[in-house]
Amino acid sequence: EAGVAQSPRYKIIEKRQSVAFWCNPISGHATLYWYQQILGQGPKLLIQFQNNGVVDDSQLPKDRFSAERLKGVDSTLKIQPAKLEDSAVYLCASSLEVSYSSYNEQFFGPGTRLTVL
Amino acid sequence: AQKITQTQPGMFVQEKEAVTLDCTYDTSDPSYGLFWYKQPSSGEMIFLIYQGSYDQQNATEGRYSLNFQKARKSANLVISASQLGDSAMYFCAMSFKETSGSRLTFGEGTQLTVNP
Repeated sequence: EAGVAQSPRYKIIEKRQSVAFWCNPISGHATLYWYQQILGQGPKLLIQFQNNGVVDDSQLPKDRFSAERLKGVDSTLKIQPAKLEDSAVYLCASSLEVSYSSYNEQFFGPGTRLTVL
Repeated sequence: AQKITQTQPGMFVQEKEAVTLDCTYDTSDPSYGLFWYKQPSSGEMIFLIYQGSYDQQNATEGRYSLNFQKARKSANLVISASQLGDSAMYFCAMSFKETSGSRLTFGEGTQLTVNP
C-alpha cells in the first residue's frame, strides 16, 4: 500500500512570505495529523483532523498558520506570513481512525523541510 | 500533564552489540500506550514497537524489545545485535485518551551511532 505523501520535500523562503504544504494520507485513513519538528527536538502536534473536521488545533499558531482537509482526504498547511522561527520539518501523519484506546499507530510521511531566511 | 523524557542526547555502540535507549514518562492516566519511532537522516518516522499500559509482557519485534517497568514509569528500548543501518534518531512517544480521541506526545530523542 502507498504511504503518506508530502510535497514539496524542501522549501526555502524569505521571512514574511507565505508557503503551503500538501499531504495525501494513506487511503482509508480517517485521521490526519500535522507536526512541526524543530531541529534537535521531537515532533510537536500542530493540528489533528478526523475526516474533514478539526479534532485538536490547540497548539496551532492561528495568527499565521492555517490548515484544511477538504473532502476528508488530502490536506494543506499554510503559513502566512512566515517567521524565522518557523524553520523546521513539517511532518504529516495518518492513522486508520480516531482511536479511543491508547493504541494509535500513526504512519508518517517524509516531511517538508522549511528554511526561512 | 503527560510528559516523555529521554535523557541520552547521544549514544554510541559497536556493531553487533546490544544497546539500551532510555525513556521515562509521566502521566496520571491509567490507560496509555508507549511507542518507539526511528528517524533516519532522510527524515521519515518509522514505527518500531508498541507497549500498552495493561500489557503483562514486554513487547518484542525482531531485534527490538521494550523493557517496560510500569512502577518506575520507564519504557526503555533494547536493540540487540546492532547494525550500521540502526544509526538514526530514536524517539519515545506516549499516547493517551482524550475525549476527542488519542494523541502522541514525543520525547526529545536520542541520536544512536553504530560504529563498525
